[in-house]
Amino acid sequence: EVQLVESGGGLVQPGRSLRLSCTASGFTFGDYAMSWVRQAPGKGLEWVGFIRSKAYGGTTEYAASVKGRFTISRDDSKSIAYLQMNSLKTEDTAVYYCTRTYGDYEYYFDYWGQGTLVTVSS
Amino acid sequence: AIRMTQSPSSLSASTGDRVTITCRASQGISSYLAWYQQKPGKAPKLLIYAASTLQSGVPSRFSGSGSGTDFTLTISCLQSEDFATYYCQQYYSYPPWTFGQGTKVEIK
Repeated sequence: EVQLVESGGGLVQPGRSLRLSCTASGFTFGDYAMSWVRQAPGKGLEWVGFIRSKAYGGTTEYAASVKGRFTISRDDSKSIAYLQMNSLKTEDTAVYYCTRTYGDYEYYFDYWGQGTLVTVSS
Repeated sequence: AIRMTQSPSSLSASTGDRVTITCRASQGISSYLAWYQQKPGKAPKLLIYAASTLQSGVPSRFSGSGSGTDFTLTISCLQSEDFATYYCQQYYSYPPWTFGQGTKVEIK
């Protein structure tokens, strides 16, 4: 059974940093791309970032709203994906979901974690 | 970025009803469209990909159709567990991957 478990969320002041982790199990983590999607309170879904599998270069993509502030990485030996969030803003407050991202060139989000809440407030 | 627009934003329906949700892309996306279901306080769940392919384990009362710019999600016989918010998402052109604003299906 595919499982994704996010951790690392919490309350943080504007301008500070936070690192989220996504621990995967039930599949060969290194074979898949991974993504982060967030949902602000009472709002819809917003894609945040994406990392390809090593077989496809392990390269990353970011939403314009977080580019230059957020960094996605992966440790295939531990089956963990990370989202490093720097220079946090109040508008980054959201539940952050880790997703397994299926496909070779056309990617969609086939499994989701339960989410972790990040609150940016002074 | 490709804009995805769902209609309606919300609807009220009764158990047993047939429900249709529409999603329109701002430009052609072939069949690179997914549908997700989200219940309150829970993570989204993939229902359909490639516009019409049912994800494993999803009940057959769910179906999807369309290609190009216009797509529909149909629930043939609404069940109590289907009351939720539904999102469409394009994966034809990225970044960014983009979602519709959601359609909330409520009990009449």
